[in-house]
Amino acid sequence: DQQVKQNSPSLSVQEGRISILNCDYTNSMFDYFLWYKKYPAEGPTFLISISSIKDKNEDGRFTVFLNKSAKHLSLHIVPSQPGDSAVYFCAAPTVSGSARQLTFGSGTQLTVLP
Amino acid sequence: DAGITQSPRHKVTETGTPVTLRCHQTENHRYMYWYRQDPGHGLRLIHYSYGVKDTDKGEVSDGYSVSRSKTEDFLLTLESATSSQTSVYFCAISDFRGAPYEQYFGPGTRLTVT
Repeated sequence: DQQVKQNSPSLSVQEGRISILNCDYTNSMFDYFLWYKKYPAEGPTFLISISSIKDKNEDGRFTVFLNKSAKHLSLHIVPSQPGDSAVYFCAAPTVSGSARQLTFGSGTQLTVLP
Repeated sequence: DAGITQSPRHKVTETGTPVTLRCHQTENHRYMYWYRQDPGHGLRLIHYSYGVKDTDKGEVSDGYSVSRSKTEDFLLTLESATSSQTSVYFCAISDFRGAPYEQYFGPGTRLTVT
């Protein structure tokens, strides 16, 4: 059972326009969410996070929105740039005793067209 | 960037042979993780460690074993490699002292089992 789902494997956007990447989750116990970005032949890098006590977190061109009632979050990139072309993963942490894990979605390949 | 290295970066091996991948960190983080990345599956946790000699299984642990004899090193062993273990393997570290529970990833090891 996938607890974190990214239903769009790919997304293409024109340079300068908005990119919207979506993520759904099933576990209502998740209280933090993270977005990672991954370029080919590199490891994923942390991009932005949001706490469940907020509904929005903004960092420059990147904004993450959280809708807890719908168990849905989205990452907005405005304006999109060719350098944003990468795979984006959403993730949620689980903390239980000594266990500390992140559960990742399957990723969305974003292509920003010049 | 967090000090994480993985070795080897690329490996081709034959079915049935043992393979060991190494992850080395210089950050003194308590938690270390091994993931595999496959198309359509995102990042799936194989095993993780929450201290020296303390390890636990992840989502896809069958066919893999790990060892952590020092804080800085986390080894992943494929006892008898199979073609289904062809993948890109990522090591990650975290101190998990607080939200958002970010993990830092190494550059990855591309393993091909023929």
